[in-house]
Amino acid sequence: GAVVSQHPSRVICKSGTSVKIECRSLDFQATTMFWYRQFPKQSLMLMATSNEGSKATYEQGVEKDKFLINHASLTLSTLTVTSAHPEDSSFYICSARVERGVTYEQYFGPGTRLTVT
Amino acid sequence: SQQGEEDPQALSIQEGENATMNCSYKTSINNLQWYRQNSGRGLVHLILIRSNEREKHSGRLRVTLDTSKKSSSLLITASRAADTASYFCAPTFGNEKLTFGTGTRLTIIP
Repeated sequence: GAVVSQHPSRVICKSGTSVKIECRSLDFQATTMFWYRQFPKQSLMLMATSNEGSKATYEQGVEKDKFLINHASLTLSTLTVTSAHPEDSSFYICSARVERGVTYEQYFGPGTRLTVT
Repeated sequence: SQQGEEDPQALSIQEGENATMNCSYKTSINNLQWYRQNSGRGLVHLILIRSNEREKHSGRLRVTLDTSKKSSSLLITASRAADTASYFCAPTFGNEKLTFGTGTRLTIIP
């Protein structure tokens, strides 16, 4: 159980275009999902927290108009990179959180490799 | 939210040996999770240990937690080449967001 999928796994796009990445919790419902970005040989950096039915909360320094997040259902969150530029090339990973009594467990998707040319 | 600090940053051992990596954190927690990340992949949830637990096992993994020292350790016994990956700890309190340190890069030498 607790499987999170992402689609696509890889995407190449031209500079100036927009790219949408989907994150789905396959066998559980997640009121909260998270989006991370990882540059080569670096750790994961939290970009935003996505709550079902409400606006996402962005971390400091992350442009909300550039990285549009929609959490339309308890099993789906999407990240749209708008007007992508080469510096947006990165590995984007989503995760979904599930409540287990008084604690929370967080499960991660396999990631999406974005390359902007 | 707080992030854990993994130590060492890098570890290379022979296949079959045991690997131990440590995690330190700063403030109170409800639980601490360990994750593995293979190169170019997402994070795999390995184990969660609650603050009232001192030790937990899962297959070849053994996790300890010392809340008085604000530290945890992950032991991988009888290591295999497939264990080569980066390992991250994630201490959390309540519904805090998970943030990550630089991890421990484990290399198993065949």
